[in-house]
Amino acid sequence: AQKITQTQPGMFVQEKEAVTLDCTYDTSDPSYGLFWYKQPSSGEMIFLIYQGSYDQQNATEGRYSLNFQKARKSANLVISASQLGDSAMYFCAMREPSQAGTALIFGKGTTLSVSS
Amino acid sequence: NAGVTQTPKFRILKIGQSMTLQCTQDMNHNYMYWYRQDPGMGLKLIYYSVGAGITDKGEVPNGYNVSRSTTEDFPLRLELAAPSQTSVYFCASTHSVGKVVETQYFGPGTRLLVL
Repeated sequence: AQKITQTQPGMFVQEKEAVTLDCTYDTSDPSYGLFWYKQPSSGEMIFLIYQGSYDQQNATEGRYSLNFQKARKSANLVISASQLGDSAMYFCAMREPSQAGTALIFGKGTTLSVSS
Repeated sequence: NAGVTQTPKFRILKIGQSMTLQCTQDMNHNYMYWYRQDPGMGLKLIYYSVGAGITDKGEVPNGYNVSRSTTEDFPLRLELAAPSQTSVYFCASTHSVGKVVETQYFGPGTRLLVL
């Protein structure tokens, strides 16, 4: 079974609109971390936001927020007021203590296209 | 800080050739990783290191070797290149003490084409 599932291969949004990118995860560890990374067409991996499994509040970083629903095992990324520069591939990733070297497990990604 | 740097940015190899992908970090991180990203896919772990002199296999280690002689450097070696190793390779690092693990920071990637 996949540990990280991103069901939206592509999403389209207009500038200034909000968009939600879905991510569900599967783990039996009570302690884990969830990450979102952005990969623009230039190829680098840019860290966006982190949510720990014990964090009581949803993480926020500027226009990015993480809608963390622990019971549903979902960690959706919400981008408010989309900008053209948000067009990129977005990856959800998880780190769990049992994972080798605390490495990240990645989903397959969602391509976001923002139009004017 | 330069962060995580990787060289080369792009390389074409012939089948059977060997090469070393270089990775250096200047953040004094103890943990380092090599991932590969195939087209349209997420990243998969090749090898990792929890400190100088300590390395271990990840999910897809076949065809690769690593070493970690210093905290800063974590080179990835391909001995006999195969077309299946055509991919983008990312090096990453983080700091971990006890149960506290910080965010992973990635290098810019190396695009490898094996023909």
